[in-house]
Formats: sequence, C-alpha cells, structure tokens
Amino acid sequence: EVQLAESGGGLVQPGRSLKLSCAASGFTFSDYYMAWVRQAPTKGLEWVASISYDGGSTYYRDSVKGRFTISRDNAKSSLYLQMDSLRSEDTATYYCTTWGSHWFAYWGQGTLVTVSS
Amino acid sequence: DVLMTQTPVSLPVSLGGQVSISCRSSQSLVHSDGNTYLHWYLQKPGQSPQLLIYRVSNRFSGVPDRFSGSGSGTDFTLKISRVEPEDLGVYYCLQSTHFPYTFGAGTKLELK
Repeated sequence: EVQLAESGGGLVQPGRSLKLSCAASGFTFSDYYMAWVRQAPTKGLEWVASISYDGGSTYYRDSVKGRFTISRDNAKSSLYLQMDSLRSEDTATYYCTTWGSHWFAYWGQGTLVTVSS
Repeated sequence: DVLMTQTPVSLPVSLGGQVSISCRSSQSLVHSDGNTYLHWYLQKPGQSPQLLIYRVSNRFSGVPDRFSGSGSGTDFTLKISRVEPEDLGVYYCLQSTHFPYTFGAGTKLELK
C-alpha cells in the first residue's frame, strides 16, 4: 500500500524558514517523479513544485521560485521542501504527492504551515 | 496560466441520483504528445484529495464505474450516477498539459 507521510509543518514568522519532509513507503520511490501541492485554509488546490526521479530536474510555480527548494533522497525514500523567506500567503496545508505520467496519483495527509507574527 | 472554470460551485443531489460537473479551460489541453491531460479529484471532508479520473476518461484503480469522464479540447465533464453518501465532498479538475499545472476552484457535492 502506498503511504506518504508529511512532517515539519508548524507556526513560523514571516521571513523565516521551514523544511517539510515526506516519508514514502509501499512503492519504489525512485521510480516516481514527486511533487508538493498546497491548499490554503478553506481554499482550492495549488501546485507548488515537482522533481524528477533522480532530482536532476525541478519545477516551481512562479510565486515560490527562488524561495522554495524541492529535493529528494532516494536512499531514504524521502521528499523535502525547503521554504525560505516565508510570507503570509504561503499559509496552507502542504501535500506530498506522486507525480507519474502527468498526474498526482497518491497523496499524503498533509502538514499545516502557518506563517504569522 | 491556464484558467480552469468549474460549474456549478455547489451541487445539491439526492442519494441515488445522477449529476454532472463541468470543467472548462482557457486554452486547449491537447498536449504536443497528442494526449489530453485533464484529471478529476474528490476531496472528502477532512481528507486529502483522491484521484478519480485521469486523462479525461480513465478511472483510477478502485474507482467505481459510477464515475465517468468525457470531453475534449477545452470542455470536460464528470458524471456521477447512483450517488452514494461516500461521494459527497468537493470535486476538482486539474490540467497538467501546461505549466504551471492548475486546478479548478472546486464543485461541492452535497445532499439536497
């Protein structure tokens, strides 16, 4: 059974940093592109970033480019999102997802990030 | 960015009934590889989204055949027949033909 478990969310002040992690199990992690999708409170879904099998290619939405860094460790079956210079508009639940063949198939339960002073 | 417009915003339904949700894109979703990358998700209350339909009309593993997807180009539809209680929640369409990938704003399926 595919399982994705996010961690690392919490309350952080504007301008500070936070690193999210996602532990994957139940599938061959290195066979999948991976992605982060977020959802602001009571709002819709928004793709944030994606990464290729080996981490050699990364993709970001414009609003996080230069502030967020997606990475992975295939030996640990783990996905990460380093978030720097956080803004209030980054407040959201962040979901780790598999990104295979152009769609997000499996999702974790999410981790809430709140950016507030 | 490609704008995905879902209608209606709210959809009251009776159990056992049939409903349709529309999703329209601001530009064609036909990829240069010939595929159309339009997908449907359901987010049940308090849960993460789950994939229902990928590439317009293909049901994901374990999705009942009460769910069907259709459409082409810029106009797509999700149909749910014989609605059951576990079908209630918010439905989203997603386009992954063009970067950045974009979701519709959602359609809330609720009991009449």
